[in-house]
Amino acid sequence: AQSVAQPEDQVNVAEGNPLTVKCTYSVSGNPYLFWYVQYPNRGLQFLLKYITGDNLVKGSYGFEAEFNKSQTSFHLKKPSALVSDSALYFCAVRDIGDDKIIFGKGTRLHILP
Amino acid sequence: DTGVSQNPRHKITKRGQNVTFRCDPISEHNRLYWYRQTLGQGPEFLTYFQNEAQLEKSRLLSDRFSAERPKGSFSTLEIQRTEQGDSAMYLCASSLGQLNSPLHFGNGTRLTVT
Repeated sequence: AQSVAQPEDQVNVAEGNPLTVKCTYSVSGNPYLFWYVQYPNRGLQFLLKYITGDNLVKGSYGFEAEFNKSQTSFHLKKPSALVSDSALYFCAVRDIGDDKIIFGKGTRLHILP
Repeated sequence: DTGVSQNPRHKITKRGQNVTFRCDPISEHNRLYWYRQTLGQGPEFLTYFQNEAQLEKSRLLSDRFSAERPKGSFSTLEIQRTEQGDSAMYLCASSLGQLNSPLHFGNGTRLTVT
């Protein structure tokens, strides 16, 4: 069965600095990987996905993520953080042959002004 | 595209009562998913439908939980004989049928069992 781990409960970054939110995964085959963001009392919003091809994928709001097969990681990145990026971020994985998407426990990103 | 709609937004009920939540997916999406989210946790998969067929149900899901999608459009999630441990945010999501399609989530129904 697939699984996903987000090792950090919270990440603090100063506004304007680069940010990284970490994610590692475990699947039996080739993964489909996703990042979502959640604002208070709202559902999750899709940010980006990796299916195949280039290891660096670009998504909404200036976010990007780097797929690393050897390290089974899919870290979320942004070159310059904004205060408005403060939210809860979830990494998710779908294994080929499985229809459901499994989510990590989330990382709270706090951008300091 | 009006997005995924969930009703009600909040539900407070007494232990032992039954509750039902509704989800209206994006109209062209044939897949519909239910997840449960508790404080400090990620969404936990409950069940999903392709059109009107319920294809998978989590082993963690109690027999008190049942979901339907009778005409392949909206879906309902019913919890019978609610317990305090059922208090959570219940999220609905829909997607196209391809495995690389992302889920589109509604804003959820927050259930509080007193």
